[in-house]
Amino acid sequence: AQKVTQAQTEISVVEKEDVTLDCVYETRDTTYYLFWYKQPPSGELVFLIRRNSFDEQNEISGRYSWNFQKSTSSFNFTITASQVVDSAVYFCALSVYGGSQGNLIFGKGTKLSVKP
Amino acid sequence: DAGVIQSPRHEVTEMGQEVTLRCKPISGHNSLFWYRQTMMRGLELLIYFNNNVPIDDSGMPEDRFSAKMPNASFSTLKIQPSEPRDSAVYFCASSSSSPDRVYIQYFGAGTRLSVL
Repeated sequence: AQKVTQAQTEISVVEKEDVTLDCVYETRDTTYYLFWYKQPPSGELVFLIRRNSFDEQNEISGRYSWNFQKSTSSFNFTITASQVVDSAVYFCALSVYGGSQGNLIFGKGTKLSVKP
Repeated sequence: DAGVIQSPRHEVTEMGQEVTLRCKPISGHNSLFWYRQTMMRGLELLIYFNNNVPIDDSGMPEDRFSAKMPNASFSTLKIQPSEPRDSAVYFCASSSSSPDRVYIQYFGAGTRLSVL
């Protein structure tokens, strides 16, 4: 069975602080995809990144960076110099290749509050 | 390009009434997913279609729920009769089979359903 755990339920930081959101996943499959989605207060789910299981390179996009480590089954997300607009619930998700054709298994989410 | 379009955005109904949620996927996408989001259970997949055919409906909670996809540009999720415990946000998502975007699901804004 597949599972995604986001142990941090809520995080509160002050603007300009760096913050890391943790994600640990479980799967016995060797080919899979990992994702991060953002859900701002307006409620929609916004895709941020997809990473496949064969690519452990870290990725950076502006203030966002992702650290994928298969050895610890983790896919952590760091926001550098956080801003108030980063306030949202962030979801980590897992999809197994050849499974339900892309069924996303979501973690429970981490609510990030960035205060001015 | 237009994103996934869901209607209505909000629905308030009384217990026992029929509710129909609608979704228009992104043009050219061949997979469509219906999710439900609640505080208790988080985001969970209800059903997904591939090329208009239902592939996995194991997440549909009970016979009161049904989903259809009569063509590539339209899907409905129907609840009949509705119950208060169906109150949730229902998301529709679609994805493409193109290699560079495969398994990335793009979500609509959601329908917030309240059953009184």
